[in-house]
Amino acid sequence: DAGVTQSPTHLIKTRGQHVTLRCSPISGHKSVSWYQQVLGQGPQFIFQYYEKEERGRGNFPDRFSARQFPNYSSELNVNALLLGDSALYLCASNQGLMDTQYFGPGTRLTVL
Amino acid sequence: QQQVKQSPQSLIVQKGGISIINCAYENTAFDYFPWYQQFPGKGPALLIAIRPDVSEKKEGRFTISFNKSAKQFSLHIMDSQPGDSATYFCAASRLDYGQNFVFGPGTRLSVLP
Repeated sequence: DAGVTQSPTHLIKTRGQHVTLRCSPISGHKSVSWYQQVLGQGPQFIFQYYEKEERGRGNFPDRFSARQFPNYSSELNVNALLLGDSALYLCASNQGLMDTQYFGPGTRLTVL
Repeated sequence: QQQVKQSPQSLIVQKGGISIINCAYENTAFDYFPWYQQFPGKGPALLIAIRPDVSEKKEGRFTISFNKSAKQFSLHIMDSQPGDSATYFCAASRLDYGQNFVFGPGTRLSVLP
């Protein structure tokens, strides 16, 4: 079975631009979460979606938004990029909210 | 109150030795404590997890010890191998919040051959 997939693998943007990151959960998983991992630190929770509804939001500015589609895939959008947004963005999925969460390989975003 | 502290920051162990990583939390509402292993360029992978109703859980060479009163938990890797060299993260969450994890800062483990 395929694991959590994320695209693109790497992305380079400049300050002020907008970026969209995509995530496909494991088949049958209805919950998707997004995390930001700055180099050398642990992942920080950004959003969780379950059955297309937002179920949790971390301490991130409104420049960050996300949505989940009917096929349970998800997009993370970041507007007005800052240098500090450079990080590995991780997507994780679980079948139900209380089930084991599996992480994808991440998208490495570099903001110049 | 949401913070999870982790130590040491880095750890060097000889092959066959025991690796021990410690974590502490403050929020007593947390009820799920997983450990994740991350290799460079990869996403974190679940190693082992524990609920606060047990004090120890063992899976193969990996053991979690949990002290609810002290709000501490630790990962023990027995017979450490060079392939165990990775960054390890402890985490905590409330299951009724859907596992929105609070991660520790990570421990970089190097196992020498």
